[in-house]
Amino acid sequence: EAQVTQNPRYLITVTGKKLTVTCSQNMNHEYMSWYRQDPGLGLRQIYYSMNVEVTDKGDVPEGYKVSRKEKRNFPLILESPSPNQTSLYFCASSLRGYQPQHFGDGTRLSIL
Amino acid sequence: DAKTTQPPSMDCAEGRAANLPCNHSTISGNEYVYWYRQIHSQGPQYIIHGLKNNETNEMASLIITEDRKSSTLILPHATLRDTAVYYCIVKETSGTYKYIFGTGTRLKVLA
Repeated sequence: EAQVTQNPRYLITVTGKKLTVTCSQNMNHEYMSWYRQDPGLGLRQIYYSMNVEVTDKGDVPEGYKVSRKEKRNFPLILESPSPNQTSLYFCASSLRGYQPQHFGDGTRLSIL
Repeated sequence: DAKTTQPPSMDCAEGRAANLPCNHSTISGNEYVYWYRQIHSQGPQYIIHGLKNNETNEMASLIITEDRKSSTLILPHATLRDTAVYYCIVKETSGTYKYIFGTGTRLKVLA
């Protein structure tokens, strides 16, 4: 089954403790992206990747890092999480950057 | 990419057609119009997209005006399961692949 898989689905952690949210897709898609969703603000793009080793900033990249060493994986790294990064995060992928995106089920992060 | 404007909320009676408008008055010639929806806090789901011709698939129809400055997503027979937030986005096929989803239209289908 074609899917985008995010892990973990839920995480409660403390300020400053580095964490990684993994994202994997099994559709051989070139484009992958991370979004965060906060009440009243809709979906905002954090980072995206056009292909392996090619990444770029979205609208809200501050405090996040990404890497794309393999086509199927696009982890989101919070080196020093802060409470303002408490949010619902979605990973998405598409065959090309302008084509319809497939979204994961989301990761709810709470940073205390 | 062109900016889109959508009403924040709409209601629709179950079984009736839901018509969701989107304004994209600054759209350029090579920008597609995409629609997604998000049910509760699930991952957004792709619905349909088009360039200038009207499009239909098993989920919905997309009507784009001749000047391409606006479009309407039509759910022909809305059900309670269509209650969701609907996002209209414009995207060109080249250049930057940043996405701006905005806050969408919250559609409530009423029994």
